[in-house]
Amino acid sequence: DAGVIQSPRHEVTEMGQEVTLRCKPISGHDYLFWYRQTMMRGLELLIYFNNNVPIDDSGMPEDRFSAKMPNASFSTLKIQPSEPRDSAVYFCASSLWTSAISYNEQFFGPGTRLTVL
Amino acid sequence: SQKIEQNSEALNIQEGKTATLTCNYTNYSPAYLQWYRQDPGRGPVFLLLIRENEKEKRKERLKVTFDTTLKQSLFHITASQPADSATYLCALDGTGGGNKLTFGTGTQLKVEL
Repeated sequence: DAGVIQSPRHEVTEMGQEVTLRCKPISGHDYLFWYRQTMMRGLELLIYFNNNVPIDDSGMPEDRFSAKMPNASFSTLKIQPSEPRDSAVYFCASSLWTSAISYNEQFFGPGTRLTVL
Repeated sequence: SQKIEQNSEALNIQEGKTATLTCNYTNYSPAYLQWYRQDPGRGPVFLLLIRENEKEKRKERLKVTFDTTLKQSLFHITASQPADSATYLCALDGTGGGNKLTFGTGTQLKVEL
């Protein structure tokens, strides 16, 4: 498997523009997580899905952020309108929960570095 | 609210020595704790998991301890090598379960020749 795939790897945009980040999880994984990482705040969970259903979006900073998972192999994180304070690295991660293991090792993608000017 | 603390200062050690990183947490009793490694420009990579009923876990040169009384985990790398230089993150299962993790801010380790 190629691992978690994210695109684009780098995105530079101007304030007010719409930004869409994309993620393809590892095939067969039933959990998908979106994180944001900054020097000041570290790695923060924004939202996560289980079987394509959003379970917890309490980390989404505000209404400008939205996430969807239309099927098991694709998810998007959208920021509209973008602001300079949204500049960060955004990671997507996926995992498979099994009762035999009963823990959640997460597999991360390479991240998307977003710069909002 | 749940709080996780890792030493924000970089840890510099000499090759061959044992590196020890600390993860402290408050206001929570996690069922398990995980350690991840992150290299510059890459996503975190899972290293080890330790459960609340385990005192110690080993994997090759890595050793993790978990003291639920002190609310602390220690992460050791023995016989450290320059290739071990990276940022190490601890993560706790989130409050309310649901398979989400809360990460510490990480400690940067630099192993010098």
